[in-house]
Amino acid sequence: DAKTTQPPSMDCAEGRAANLPCNHSTISGNEYVYWYRQIHSQGPQYIIHGLKNNETNEMASLIITEDRKSSTLILPHATLRDTAVYYCIVSLRNNDMRFGAGTRLTVKP
Amino acid sequence: DTAVSQTPKYLVTQMGNDKSIKCEQNLGHDTMYWYKQDSKKFLKIMFSYNNKELIINETVPNRFSPKSPDKAHLNLHINSLELGDSAVYFCASSPGQFYGYTFGSGTRLTVV
Repeated sequence: DAKTTQPPSMDCAEGRAANLPCNHSTISGNEYVYWYRQIHSQGPQYIIHGLKNNETNEMASLIITEDRKSSTLILPHATLRDTAVYYCIVSLRNNDMRFGAGTRLTVKP
Repeated sequence: DTAVSQTPKYLVTQMGNDKSIKCEQNLGHDTMYWYKQDSKKFLKIMFSYNNKELIINETVPNRFSPKSPDKAHLNLHINSLELGDSAVYFCASSPGQFYGYTFGSGTRLTVV
């Protein structure tokens, strides 16, 4: 059961904002949206998570629509080191994090 | 200091052998996990332990047995290795509900 839908790949110019969309139309009221990324065979790296409100940290911003059926991860100034596979996950609690295929983001010079 | 460390980083072994992968976290987290990433790059959860107690046990062959001697360690023992077990295995930990996971750097297992 795929709980989230993400585009398989995206490109972004270095220095520009990268906006990665995620659809989660079947999300339940108490499920959180988590984002991770995996840089070329390294271990996945936690980025951010949220429930209803928009969230921001030192890595990224997470925008969740009012109906919670979709979200967007924003990397404000993408660098070449942000090239990675980005995973959007919905989870009731964090003890059952199931990864999908993700979006392969390529940041180009 | 590495937060979640796995050993070995690479493991090449013959079919039928028994091997273990060790995982240690120095973050004081309560929950630890094992994930498998196959050649198609899909990450699948295998096991989850909370304070040494098994929480999640996905449909994994019983040749795979996790062992948690204490809260900081979750080792993965694999009996009678098969070619299809070749993959990268990731250990992770988290402090509890509503927090992100910290992953180790992975163990690349190759069964020949």
